[in-house]
Amino acid sequence: DIVMTQTPLSSPVTLGQPASISCRSSQSLVHSDGDTFLSWLHQRPGQPPRLLIYKISTRFSGVPDRFSGSGAGTDFTLKISRVEAEDVGVYYCMQATQFPYTFGQGTKLEIK
Amino acid sequence: QVQLAESGGGVVQPGRSLRLSCAASGFTFSNYGMQWVRQAPGKGLEWVAAIRFDGRDKHYADSVKGRFTTSRDNSKNTVYLQMNSLRVEDTAMYYCAKDDYYSSGSPHFDHWGQGTLVTVSS
Repeated sequence: DIVMTQTPLSSPVTLGQPASISCRSSQSLVHSDGDTFLSWLHQRPGQPPRLLIYKISTRFSGVPDRFSGSGAGTDFTLKISRVEAEDVGVYYCMQATQFPYTFGQGTKLEIK
Repeated sequence: QVQLAESGGGVVQPGRSLRLSCAASGFTFSNYGMQWVRQAPGKGLEWVAAIRFDGRDKHYADSVKGRFTTSRDNSKNTVYLQMNSLRVEDTAMYYCAKDDYYSSGSPHFDHWGQGTLVTVSS
């Protein structure tokens, strides 16, 4: 199984400042068709997860452009250019290149 | 708009069975694969099962293989998760999610239900 490792596990951030979360996979997420199926999701307390980004860097409909994804192979990053209060919660990376699909442990973003 | 509504959760004793349902609306259900993801209390997300748009291909996490079965009825726009031989460690919120592969060529979970809570306890 592909193991997804996120860092940090907790990130206190000042409003208006940038934030960055790293996700590393135990093997390459490049699919045989050449695409890389790495997604980022956000979960607020008491809510289901919601999709932010898929295929490394494609923002889902309605996601603010302060969210961006990058990376390749086994190393990926989610960046928030200027953190807003509504961004608190837990962020997960997820790979869908190979079954079983796997998630990172989650990174808790909180406001300082 | 896309809506997913899980039901069927509850409290059940270890070793017993439960069937979850996920009713879908707002999209052409028969075109899309569906996924089950669970979240134990205070823990992270765990992928559980996937079913292809036509129900002919299914995949399971090792932790549930042989005990859980997913199926779908495209005439009812509903996907199911039959859970047998339940264990205490199966206690979790169970979410169904729509897989957007049909539209985008990329498997990702673009819409999620609110979840249904399963508690396995004696």
